[in-house]
Order: sequence, then structure tokens, then C-alpha cells
Amino acid sequence: QQQVKQSPQSLIVQKGGISIINCAYENTAFDYFPWYQQFPGKGPALLIAIRPDVSEKKEGRFTISFNKSAKQFSLHIMDSQPGDSATYFCAARTGRSQGNLIFGKGTKLSVKP
Amino acid sequence: DAGVIQSPRHEVTEMGQEVTLRCKPISGHNSLFWYRQTMMRGLELLIYFNNNVPIDDSGMPEDRFSAKMPNASFSTLKIQPSEPRDSAVYFCASSAGSVRTEAFFGQGTRLTVV
Repeated sequence: QQQVKQSPQSLIVQKGGISIINCAYENTAFDYFPWYQQFPGKGPALLIAIRPDVSEKKEGRFTISFNKSAKQFSLHIMDSQPGDSATYFCAARTGRSQGNLIFGKGTKLSVKP
Repeated sequence: DAGVIQSPRHEVTEMGQEVTLRCKPISGHNSLFWYRQTMMRGLELLIYFNNNVPIDDSGMPEDRFSAKMPNASFSTLKIQPSEPRDSAVYFCASSAGSVRTEAFFGQGTRLTVV
């Protein structure tokens, strides 16, 4: 059973455009929602994270929007750059799991110059 | 800090052979995770340890897989016997263990079983 559903699988955006990746979850016990960025040949690295008590978190060009009632959250990358080309994973974790992250299947983002 | 260190980076082995993957977590971290990444299934949690004790191994695919953490600075994931369907990238990650602490991933071991 996939607990975190991510879309789209792949995304092509022009340089300077906005990249949007969406995730939906089922388990209402999740209380921590990070996004990870992975470059080829590397391990995933934390990009930005949010707790369900806020609706939005922004760090530079990266913003997470969170809709608790809809059980959805999304990553927005403003002014997308070719260097942002990577695979992005959303994830979720419960307070009791001591770090057990459940990942979405990933979105491969390509930013065209 | 050198981060999470995994070895080897690449492993090619023949079906039926034993494979051992190694991980050194970040010093001071008390949670360690083994993940497997494939195109079809994405990132799957295999097992995680807290204070060297296995907490959840429900993701271990079958008895051919085993993991140990003999001390706070070392963990192994063993596959015996290996099969072609085990081919994947295996990641080790560690965290300080509290609920909202970042998990740091190693660079992974790409395993190919032929």
C-alpha cells in the first residue's frame, strides 16, 4: 500500500519557470513532511520540510504548500534553473516512527535552458 | 563531518553469492536506516535501527536479507544468496533520532547481480 502518492513522474520546465510537484497522503498520523532532492549518483538530501500546523514554508526559491484537510502538499520551485534538474521525493513520517520516512516515488525534473 | 559512508560504491556479483554492504553513520546519530531504490518501486525502507536495536524490519523482502548493527558506528546489510532481482541501489541513512530531525543519506551502493 502506497501511503504517499507523488505526481507527476516527470516534469520539463523552461528556465525561469515555476516547477510544481504534488503529493497526497493517507495516514493522518503523519506529522512531518520533508522534500528530498537527489542528483544522479548521489543519495537524497533534505531540501525543505514542513509540519502540518503551518500552511506554507518558503526557503529561497523553494516553497512547500500544505493543505491538511485535503491531505495534500506540494513543492513549488520559482525561477527554475538548469541546476535544479534532479529527482525530487516527497516524504512523510509519524511522530512515533523515530525517523521512518515513507517516500513518494519521485519526480524527475528537467529544466531546459 | 564526513557524512554517512557506504562501501562499496559498486558491487557486481554472480547469482547465488553472498553480498555484504557496509555503512558508517554520522557520529552521534542514534538512528540508522537501510533503503533500497529501484525504478519500479522507488525508495523502500528495508530496516531501521534505534540505538543499535532493530526497530522495524518489516521491509526486509525475505529471509535472504539480514542486517546487523554491532555498534553505534557500523552496520551491515547482507544478502545470501543474492538473486538478479536484488539489483538496486542500496542507501544507508542516519539521523539524530528525534521526530523532526533530518535523515542524512550516504551515496549508496549500486548492486548488480548477474
